[in-house]
Amino acid sequence: DVKVTQSSRYLVKRTGEKVFLECVQDMDHENMFWYRQDPGLGLRLIYFSYDVKMKEKGDIPEGYSVSREKKERFSLILESASTNQTSMYLCASTEAGRPDSTFGSGTRLTVV
Amino acid sequence: SQKIEQNSEALNIQEGKTATLTCNYTNYSPAYLQWYRQDPGRGPVFLLLIRENEKEKRKERLKVTFDTTLKQSLFHITASQPADSATYLCAPGSGGYNKLIFGAGTRLAVHP
Repeated sequence: DVKVTQSSRYLVKRTGEKVFLECVQDMDHENMFWYRQDPGLGLRLIYFSYDVKMKEKGDIPEGYSVSREKKERFSLILESASTNQTSMYLCASTEAGRPDSTFGSGTRLTVV
Repeated sequence: SQKIEQNSEALNIQEGKTATLTCNYTNYSPAYLQWYRQDPGRGPVFLLLIRENEKEKRKERLKVTFDTTLKQSLFHITASQPADSATYLCAPGSGGYNKLIFGAGTRLAVHP
């Protein structure tokens, strides 16, 4: 069964900390995505990557960066965590040319 | 800007009835539209995709329609069961890297 694995289900960090959220997929998918999900707002795209070392900004990239050094791994970095980054973070991947996404279980991040 | 609207109010129905969820979009001409199911605290799971040249798509008890004139998709679950209770997200999409825009979702509650 294909899988997208996010390293943490729950995370609590302090304001100003640098936070790393890790995502690994075992499907050899080319495209990977990071979303955040907030009540009433749906999923909003932060960054995506269509190849190793390639990245594109999504709709809300401010305060975030990403890294894709290997095809299977896509990391989201919060350079200096702030309370307004408290959210559910979801990683997804898709095969090139196919639109259906496979999502991880999510990381619920709380910044205090 | 592109806007996706799903009924924000929960839909409560009786077991055995047909549930119908609506997705409307504006300022957008998607090449396809996807529906996902999301359970509390979990990532979305892909259900169905319908392309702009298709009027209707079926999968078991699920049926999706896509009206590009009305800019609307309807998602039907026939013979609904309590296990169908979840939040359902619509996601129109287009473009080479499968960038999706998600609606905020409609919560469905099926009562025995």
